[in-house]
Amino acid sequence: QVQLVQSGAEVKKPGASVKVSCKASGYTFTSYYLHWVRQAPGQGLEWMGIINPSGGSTSYAQKFQGRVTMTRDTSTSTVYVELSSLASEDTAVYFCARVGVRGISTAWIDYWGQGTLVTVSS
Amino acid sequence: EIVLTQSPDTLSLSPGERATLSCRASQSVSSDLAWYQQKPGQAPRLLIYDASNRATGIPARFSGSGSGTDFTLTISSLEPEDFAVYYCQQCSNWPITFGQGTRLEIK
Repeated sequence: QVQLVQSGAEVKKPGASVKVSCKASGYTFTSYYLHWVRQAPGQGLEWMGIINPSGGSTSYAQKFQGRVTMTRDTSTSTVYVELSSLASEDTAVYFCARVGVRGISTAWIDYWGQGTLVTVSS
Repeated sequence: EIVLTQSPDTLSLSPGERATLSCRASQSVSSDLAWYQQKPGQAPRLLIYDASNRATGIPARFSGSGSGTDFTLTISSLEPEDFAVYYCQQCSNWPITFGQGTRLEIK
């Protein structure tokens, strides 16, 4: 069965960076794009960007350009999101999520990771 | 960027009643719209894709309709487990965007 298992909660100070991982299993890792979506406490869903695990190409939301990096490791079927220059407004749950159609980036999301809480506090 | 506006923000209904949730896009997204359900402390769950197709394992009481700019999620007869937050999402144009959510609460 498809599973996306994320790394554990993080507490960071303002100005620091955080790197969250998402390990995929139960399907061919390189065949499906993966999104990163975040959700601030009590708020809605915010798209951050997408990565093609096959070639590693990425597309980021304009809001995060210059501050976010998405990478993948095909040997471990893991994708990563790194966010730098953290501020209190980055406190949120970060989700990885799989695009529901093989080989394309523009489709619905069929599987989500369990979420990783990142808390930014001095 | 396509803006999705959901209405109402909160819907208060009783079990057994019919729920109608709306999602309006700022420009046409054809049928490239999905609906998700999210319960507290959980990740969202896909309910409907391509505007009207139920995802695997989703009960028949959930249905989606619409195309272009106006979409509806209908829950025909509410079960206690259906009280949650619902989001629409468009995947027609980059960047993908989500609606702000509709909270379905028990009256």
